[in-house]
Amino acid sequence: AQTVTQSQPEMSVQEAETVTLSCTYDTSENNYYLFWYKQPPSRQMILVIRQEAYKQQNATENRFSVNFQKAAKSFSLKISDSQLGDTAMYFCAFILRDDKIIFGKGTRLHILP
Amino acid sequence: DVKVTQSSRYLVKRTGEKVFLECVQDMDHENMFWYRQDPGLGLRLIYFSYDVKMKEKGDIPEGYSVSREKKERFSLILESASTNQTSMYLCASSEWASEKLFFGSGTQLSVL
Repeated sequence: AQTVTQSQPEMSVQEAETVTLSCTYDTSENNYYLFWYKQPPSRQMILVIRQEAYKQQNATENRFSVNFQKAAKSFSLKISDSQLGDTAMYFCAFILRDDKIIFGKGTRLHILP
Repeated sequence: DVKVTQSSRYLVKRTGEKVFLECVQDMDHENMFWYRQDPGLGLRLIYFSYDVKMKEKGDIPEGYSVSREKKERFSLILESASTNQTSMYLCASSEWASEKLFFGSGTQLSVL
């Protein structure tokens, strides 16, 4: 069975610092996608970044980047120069092609002023 | 701009009531999903649908049913609400064979 594990239930960092959220997953498949979703207090789920498993290059979206280690089945999210608006729940998610998305339990991130 | 609309943001119901949660998307997406979100448990898939009148059970379908009579609308039904169904319910949609989900703003359901 496919699973996604986020080992950090809650984290706090000072504004402007860099923070890394960890995620590991388990699958025997070779082709899949990985995502990080953000859910701010407004509750709207927002796609932050996605990574195709067949791509070795780590995905980057402005201040957000991932460290994708396929052999280790690790997919961490790095937020650089963190901002107050980054305060949210962050969910790591995983999908096999033509299958349903599986979410981790989430990491609550607080950016402190 | 893409939009997934859930009819209620907050809902309070009594045990034993029949509850309908409505979700409408305006993107002509084939796929629609219902998740429930609970603290410490993340998002868990209840039901999903790949086409009109089609439905598939997710990971936690017990106590729920769904209806998809039209492509744009996917309803989640609690036949007899129970207190353990108090939760945040999120609807999502996606294009066929696309991995990108678009979410609604959620319905916080309290069953008393």
